[in-house]
Amino acid sequence: DVKVTQSSRYLVKRTGEKVFLECVQDMDHENMFWYRQDPGLGLRLIYFSYDVKMKEKGDIPEGYSVSREKKERFSLILESASTNQTSMYLCASRYEASRSQHFGDGTRLSIL
Amino acid sequence: GESVGLHLPTLSVQEGDNSIINCAYSNSASDYFIWYKQESGKGPQFIIDIRSNMDKRQGQRVTVLLNKTVKHLSLQIAATQPGDSAVYFCAENIRNAGGTSYGKLTFGQGTILTVHP
Repeated sequence: DVKVTQSSRYLVKRTGEKVFLECVQDMDHENMFWYRQDPGLGLRLIYFSYDVKMKEKGDIPEGYSVSREKKERFSLILESASTNQTSMYLCASRYEASRSQHFGDGTRLSIL
Repeated sequence: GESVGLHLPTLSVQEGDNSIINCAYSNSASDYFIWYKQESGKGPQFIIDIRSNMDKRQGQRVTVLLNKTVKHLSLQIAATQPGDSAVYFCAENIRNAGGTSYGKLTFGQGTILTVHP
C-alpha cells in the first residue's frame, strides 16, 4: 500500500512566520502535489513537482514556494504566513504511468 | 472583497438504497476523470476512474457514467451502506498545450453523502 505521510496533523503559527509543511511518500513516485482544501471550494492545486528538483506552479501559487531535493520528500513553504492561509493542506503523490494520485491525511494549519 | 465559500451539495439516502452523485465538468479536452471519497479527518481515496473515450465503467458496487455531450459525470453506488457516508469529489485531468499533464487534476467542490441506517 502506498503511504503518503504529512509531518503534522495540526499546526498553529503566527502571522509573518516562515512555515514548512513536509510530505514523504514511500513508493518512489515521480510526481508530487500540494493542495489546499477550503469548505465549498474543493481542492486547489498550489504547486506540483514532476521529478526531483523540478517544480511547476499550480492554480494558486502566490505566497507559497516548494522544495524537492529528494524524490520521496516534497516540502511546502509559506514564506510569510498570513491569516488567509489558514486551511487544510493535502499532499499527494503519483506514479507517472498511473492516473490516480495518493493522498496524505492532511495538515490543518491555523495562522493567528 | 472577501470570497465566501459555497455550500456543498448534499445527498441523504437510506441504507440499502442506490445513490447517484453528479458532477459537471467544463473542459472538453479532459483526458480522464476520477472519483475520490473523503472521510472525515482523512485524505481523499481513489474510488474509480474513466478515460474520456469511454461512456461507462463499473467497479465493485460503483459505476461511473460519462456523458461528453453535456459534459456530465456521475457516480452510482449500489446498496449504499453507512460506511459510504463521506464527501465525494470528481476530478478531471486536462492535458496542457504541449500534450503533457503530469497527472494534474482539477477537482469539483464535492458532494456530501449521508447514509441513514
